Amino acid sequence: KQEVTQIPAALSVPEGENLVLNCSFTDSAIYNLQWFRQDPGKGLTSLLLIQSSQREQTSGRLNASLDKSSGRSTLYIAASQPGDSATYLCAVPHYNQGGKLIFGQGTELSVKP
Amino acid sequence: EPEVTQTPSHQVTQMGQEVILRCVPISNHLYFYWYRQILGQKVEFLVSFYNNEISEKSEIFDDQFSVERPDGSNFTLKIRSTKLEDSAMYFCASSGTGSSEQYFGPGTRLTVT
Repeated sequence: KQEVTQIPAALSVPEGENLVLNCSFTDSAIYNLQWFRQDPGKGLTSLLLIQSSQREQTSGRLNASLDKSSGRSTLYIAASQPGDSATYLCAVPHYNQGGKLIFGQGTELSVKP
Repeated sequence: EPEVTQTPSHQVTQMGQEVILRCVPISNHLYFYWYRQILGQKVEFLVSFYNNEISEKSEIFDDQFSVERPDGSNFTLKIRSTKLEDSAMYFCASSGTGSSEQYFGPGTRLTVT
């Protein structure tokens, strides 16, 4: 059974710092991994989708890496800003199950001015 | 940019009542999903829908729940005889294929009193 874990559960950093959020999954037979942002009481905004054949995917100040064999993904945020404060979720599709996503519990990020 | 929309944004209902949550997926998408997030917990999968039928459902999705695509644009989740524990944020999502990026709506906050 696929399980997704995110560490740390919460992170507080000063503005301008580079940071890394971690996601691990137990079943490496995935075909992609998706990172989301969730603001309090709001929906999920897709940030990056990284395919199983890729090792990295970049969007602006965000860079996601994927190491399928070790069951890990990282989300790197460069030059963090207070507007980056949110909960970041990673999710993997349940293999051969028509796209059902299994979510981690998220990392709550606070960027202090 | 195309987006998934959901109505209402907040629904308050009494225990035992029926509610219908509505979603308009992205127009050329073929796969549709409902997820829910109980306050402070992980986002969890409820049901996926493709080609006018349920492709997968979780153990949460019992006879109390049903989904429908009544026309070419709407996708609905019906909860019969609501319980207090149904209080949660309900998210609709859609994707072009079963293995591509999922786009989420802003959610409907359901409060059962």
